[in-house]
Amino acid sequence: DAGVIQSPRHEVTEMGQEVTLRCKPISGHNSLFWYRQTMMRGLELLIYFNNNVPIDDSGMPEDRFSAKMPNASFSTLKIQPSEPRDSAVYFCASSFRGAAEAFFGQGTRLTVV
Amino acid sequence: GDSVTQMEGPVTLSEEAFLTINCTYTATGYPSLFWYVQYPGEGLQLLLKATKADDKGSNKGFEATYRKETTSFHLEKGSVQVSDSAVYFCALSDHGGTALIFGKGTTLSVSS
Repeated sequence: DAGVIQSPRHEVTEMGQEVTLRCKPISGHNSLFWYRQTMMRGLELLIYFNNNVPIDDSGMPEDRFSAKMPNASFSTLKIQPSEPRDSAVYFCASSFRGAAEAFFGQGTRLTVV
Repeated sequence: GDSVTQMEGPVTLSEEAFLTINCTYTATGYPSLFWYVQYPGEGLQLLLKATKADDKGSNKGFEATYRKETTSFHLEKGSVQVSDSAVYFCALSDHGGTALIFGKGTTLSVSS
């Protein structure tokens, strides 16, 4: 298996632009997580899905952030409009619900200028 | 709510030194415990895990024992290498399919 695949690996955008991050979980996994990592706050859970259904989005910073999982093999995290304070590394992870441990993608490094 | 507390870093060691990174947790139930490692520019990788009290997880010379009485899961390695330089995260998960809860991470730097 190729593992969790995220795209793009790097994204530089101007403030106010829409940004879409993509994630393909490991085949057969039924839980998917979006995390954000910054120096100041460490690793923060933004949202997670079980069986494509959002379960907890309490970590989503504000209405500018939205996440979808239209099917078991694809998820997106969208920021609209983007702001410089959104600059971070965004990780997607997936797990098989009964196993507890999660497998992480390589991350998307987002820079908003 | 559930939480994980790790020792503050950075930890700086010479090659072949003994490593301990402390981790304690707070949980209402009986969580599974994990150590993840993040090498520069990469995502987090599972290093080891333990799913019940007194279990010992081990991998690549690293070990950690699930201590329910002290709510701890300290990471140890007898002889570190330069290649072990990375950020180490302690994490917990309950068995209900919820997300992992991470500590803030501890940076380890090993010099030759």
